[in-house]
Amino acid sequence: AQTVTQSQPEMSVQEAETVTLSCTYDTSESDYYLFWYKQPPSRQMILVIRQEAYKQQNATENRFSVNFQKAAKSFSLKISDSQLGDAAMYFCAYEVRASGSRLTFGEGTQLTVNP
Amino acid sequence: NAGVMQNPRHLVRRRGQEARLRCSPMKGHSHVYWYRQLPEEGLKFMVYLQKENIIDESGMPKERFSAEFPKEGPSILRIQQVVRGDSAAYFCASSPPGLEFNEQFFGPGTRLTVL
Repeated sequence: AQTVTQSQPEMSVQEAETVTLSCTYDTSESDYYLFWYKQPPSRQMILVIRQEAYKQQNATENRFSVNFQKAAKSFSLKISDSQLGDAAMYFCAYEVRASGSRLTFGEGTQLTVNP
Repeated sequence: NAGVMQNPRHLVRRRGQEARLRCSPMKGHSHVYWYRQLPEEGLKFMVYLQKENIIDESGMPKERFSAEFPKEGPSILRIQQVVRGDSAAYFCASSPPGLEFNEQFFGPGTRLTVL
């Protein structure tokens, strides 16, 4: 069974600074996707970034980037130039690369951005 | 193209009553997923459906919970004889048909409170 672990229940960062959220996962599959989702107080799940396991290059989306270490099964999210609107719960998630596959989520990291 | 719609957004039930949660997938999407988020936890997969078929219900509790996705109309998650432990946010996600991976798009969730 696949598992996703986020070891940081809470993190805080100063506005304009950089913060890194950690995620590790366990799987016997070789072809899969990894995601970071943001859940603000509205509870809407917002996809932040996606990484295909077969790609060696780390994904980036504006101020968001990942450090994907496939051998170590590690997938961290770096947020640069943090903004007040980045404050939210962040979930790491895993999905086998196949049609109709379920998402497996970590327990989340609550990010606070201090002005 | 409207996003995934869920209603009601908030639902209050007394113990022993039935709860019906509705999910209308995005236009053109024929795959529906239900996830449950207990307080202070990540989302947990419950069930995956296609039109008129339950494909994977391995995350559904064995009793009181059922789901359907009829040929016409929304997908329904039904909880009979609710108990306090059913209080949670229930999220629906949808994806388009196809043999390859397709991103899941989330609805805003239904927050169920059992008194």
